[in-house]
Amino acid sequence: GAVVSQHPSWVICKSGTSVKIECRSLDFQATTMFWYRQFPKQSLMLMATSNEGSKATYEQGVEKDKFLINHASLTLSTLTVTSAHPEDSSFYICSASPRGEPDEQYFGPGTRLTVT
Amino acid sequence: QKEVEQNSGPLSVPEGAIASLNCTYSDRGSQSFFWYRQYSGKSPELIMSIYSNGDKEDGRFTAQLNKASQYVSLLIRDSQPSDSATYLCAVYSSGYSTLTFGKGTMLLVSP
Repeated sequence: GAVVSQHPSWVICKSGTSVKIECRSLDFQATTMFWYRQFPKQSLMLMATSNEGSKATYEQGVEKDKFLINHASLTLSTLTVTSAHPEDSSFYICSASPRGEPDEQYFGPGTRLTVT
Repeated sequence: QKEVEQNSGPLSVPEGAIASLNCTYSDRGSQSFFWYRQYSGKSPELIMSIYSNGDKEDGRFTAQLNKASQYVSLLIRDSQPSDSATYLCAVYSSGYSTLTFGKGTMLLVSP
């Protein structure tokens, strides 16, 4: 149980284009989903927290107009990187907390984004 | 302010030895404690959770919690090269309603 999927697993895009990453909880309802970014050999960095049906809460320093998050249902959240630049190349990982278990987070497999 | 501290390592142990990973946290009101394992290039995987003082064992893994000392540890017995990964300590506080991660300790198990 507690499986989270992400799609795509990797993506290459050109500078200036937008990329959408999907995060789905497959066997549970996720009241809260989280988006992280991780650069090589660095620790996880929380970007934003989203609750179903409400606006995401972004961490300090994360541009909300650049990283658009939509948590449309209890099983789906999307992250759109708008006007991507090479410095946005990173490993993006989502996680989800099951309804009634806010202290637990289950991670998706991650999406590796390369902007050329 | 909530902080979770881990030694970045690497912690090097020979195959078959016991690996001991440590974590301290600042929020005395923290209630739930987790250990995640992250292989290079992969996402974190939950391997242990502990909620009350004492030890919790699961196979080769033992989590230890001491709330008075604000200290949580993970012991890996009979370490295998496949255990080589970064281990993340995570602490949940209902007061903040967030799970705070440490930066992780890299474990290297040599054959």
